[in-house]
Amino acid sequence: AQSVTQLDSHVSVSEGTPVLLRCNYSSSYSPSLFWYVQHPNKGLQLLLKYTSAATLVKGINGFEAEFKKSETSFHLTKPSAHMSDAAEYFCVVSDRSGGGGNKLTFGTGTQLKVEL
Amino acid sequence: GAVVSQHPSRVICKSGTSVKIECRSLDFQATTMFWYRQFPKQSLMLMATSNEGSKATYEQGVEKDKFLINHASLTLSTLTVTSAHPEDSSFYICSAIPGGAYQETQYFGPGTRLLVL
Repeated sequence: AQSVTQLDSHVSVSEGTPVLLRCNYSSSYSPSLFWYVQHPNKGLQLLLKYTSAATLVKGINGFEAEFKKSETSFHLTKPSAHMSDAAEYFCVVSDRSGGGGNKLTFGTGTQLKVEL
Repeated sequence: GAVVSQHPSRVICKSGTSVKIECRSLDFQATTMFWYRQFPKQSLMLMATSNEGSKATYEQGVEKDKFLINHASLTLSTLTVTSAHPEDSSFYICSAIPGGAYQETQYFGPGTRLLVL
């Protein structure tokens, strides 16, 4: 079984300040972890993914996340927020127990608000 | 690369009618596609897994006779909502995994907003 907990449903930051979106996971297997972003009425865009290579993963638009097995965490960070970063962010874990077609388990999402 | 499209982007229909939503992988072949449903301000809920050339696998609680899935080619999967009712109104999103061993990243379509009157 696997699960994802996004600790904050809403995060508000000022433009130019750091962003931290928290995610903890639970998985029976060595997990693959993803962060996706969803802008209003749009589909999901992949920001970055961890698949058992380097624990610090760099993604698009200046985002990065660090896989910490001891803490079962995969927090998303960005040094300096931009207005265009305002969106819903989902932390996702993949079930790698089976062959192709791995199911994703989504967190409940974190709404990021960026203020001037 | 790895672009997934959905058509239509929005659809409004009368109660009792059927609606077909298409999901296409534009620049890759997808042996596996997924269909999700998202209610306002909620996360995505997996409805079914669609494998090319075989029957879809539905998640618990999803009516397979109501949500018909056809994955007839490596680039196209369709979801048909049969006899739609207002409670079926939702945002439907598909995703696809490129073919090949060890592929697991899902690429998502832009979603289809369904409103049943």
